[in-house]
Amino acid sequence: QVQLVESGGGVVQPGKSLRLSCAASGFTFSGYGMHWVRQAPGRGLEWVALMSYDGNYKYYSDSVKGRFTISRDNSKNTLYLQVDSLRTEDTAVYYCAKDKSRGYNYGPNDYWGQGTLVIVSS
Amino acid sequence: DIVMTQSPDSLAVSLGERATINCKSSQTILDSSNNKNSLAWYQQKPGQPPNLLIFWASTRESGVPDRFSGSGSGTDFTLTISRLQAEDVAVYYCQQYYTTPRTFGQGTKLEIK
Repeated sequence: QVQLVESGGGVVQPGKSLRLSCAASGFTFSGYGMHWVRQAPGRGLEWVALMSYDGNYKYYSDSVKGRFTISRDNSKNTLYLQVDSLRTEDTAVYYCAKDKSRGYNYGPNDYWGQGTLVIVSS
Repeated sequence: DIVMTQSPDSLAVSLGERATINCKSSQTILDSSNNKNSLAWYQQKPGQPPNLLIFWASTRESGVPDRFSGSGSGTDFTLTISRLQAEDVAVYYCQQYYTTPRTFGQGTKLEIK
């Protein structure tokens, strides 16, 4: 069965960095676009970034553009999110999510991990 | 960016009754390649990640009970739960996947009356 397991979250000071990871299994990871979506405590869902199946295309929300970098290693079935210059408003649970469509077709998110919590605080 | 606006923000419905949640997009989300609206509905229970219920505005995801249905066209969409059960208590989100940035509605909290 499809599994997505995030890691790398923690408590970090403003301006610092973290690298989040998402280990995927149970499907052909290299065939699907992958997303990061975050949720601040008690708030709604906010889409963060998308990487194409082959890593050639990346898309970001305006709120993280220039500070966050999405990447993937298809040989390790792992998705990453490098989060730099963290701000208090980046405090959230970060979910990785699989795109339902294959290749360069993008659809909804049919599988989600349990998330990793990032707390930005001095 | 496409703004997704849900109504109401919260809703209390009796067990066995119908629950209706609305979602409005600020512009068309019609995929011209298949003439379908790029609209999804998710259910999120406390402490859990979201769960995909509906995509292409009205296609039920595999394993989702048939009491959940989606409808709508243009810029107005609806999620209907036909016979509310206790396990349906959750926050429901609509999302457009027509373009990036993907955007979600603010969520609708569904409770039992």
